[in-house]
Amino acid sequence: EIVLTQSPATLSLSPGERATLSCRASQSVSSYLAWYQQKPGQAPRLLIYDASNRATGIPARFSGSGSGTDFTLTISSLEPEDFAVYYCQQCINWPPLTFGGGTKVEIK
Amino acid sequence: QVQLVESGGGVVQPGRSLRLSCAASGFTFSNFAMHWVRQAPGKGLEWVAVISYDGRNKYYADSVKGRFTISRDDSENTLYLQMNSLRTDDTAVYYCAREKVRGVIIKEGNDYWGQGTLVTVST
Repeated sequence: EIVLTQSPATLSLSPGERATLSCRASQSVSSYLAWYQQKPGQAPRLLIYDASNRATGIPARFSGSGSGTDFTLTISSLEPEDFAVYYCQQCINWPPLTFGGGTKVEIK
Repeated sequence: QVQLVESGGGVVQPGRSLRLSCAASGFTFSNFAMHWVRQAPGKGLEWVAVISYDGRNKYYADSVKGRFTISRDDSENTLYLQMNSLRTDDTAVYYCAREKVRGVIIKEGNDYWGQGTLVTVST
C-alpha cells in the first residue's frame, strides 16, 4: 500500500499570500497524483490530476508539480474561498486507492 | 449537468446491515467506473470500493472486504453499496464519486462527487 504524507498539517496564511502544500509518497507514483479541495460540509472537489493538470473550471492560481515521490500544490495568491482542507490521492497502485492525511489552510 | 445523489444512510446497530444508493444523472453512467469513499467525523478521506464501468471488476479496501459489496444497475443509473456486519468504526459520511476517465477503472481521480450520506453505527 502506498502511503501519502502531507505537510504541513496546518498552514496559517493571509489572503493574497502564496500557499505551498507538500505530498510525499512512500514509493514512486510516477505522475499519477491528484489533488482535492474540501470545504466544511461539502464533498471534495478535484483540483489537479496527473500531478500538474488543472481540472475543468479550476482557477489558474492553483498549480501542481512533481513526479515520483514528491509533489507540490501551489496556490499563487490566496483568495478567501481557498481556505479549506486539501488532500492528495495516488492513482497508480491499487487497491487500495490512497489519500494523504490532508493539509488545512487556515486564515492567519 | 452531472449529478450524483446518495441515499440510504441512517443510524444502525453494530452487526446490522444497510444499503446505500447513488443515483446518477447527466452523463452516460455505463461508461464510467464508480467509487465509494468515506469520511469519519473530523477525519480524512478513505477509499472504500470501486466498480468498473461494465461491472465486471470490483475492488475493496481491506477494512471492508468481505463485509461490503459494491454493485451497479446501469438500467437505473444507480450505484449501490451493501454494507453488512457493520461496526462502530464504519461510522462516516459515504460519498459516491465518478472516475474521471471513461472506460478505465482508476486513472486520473474523481471528477464528480455526491453530497454524501451519513451512516452512524451505534448501540
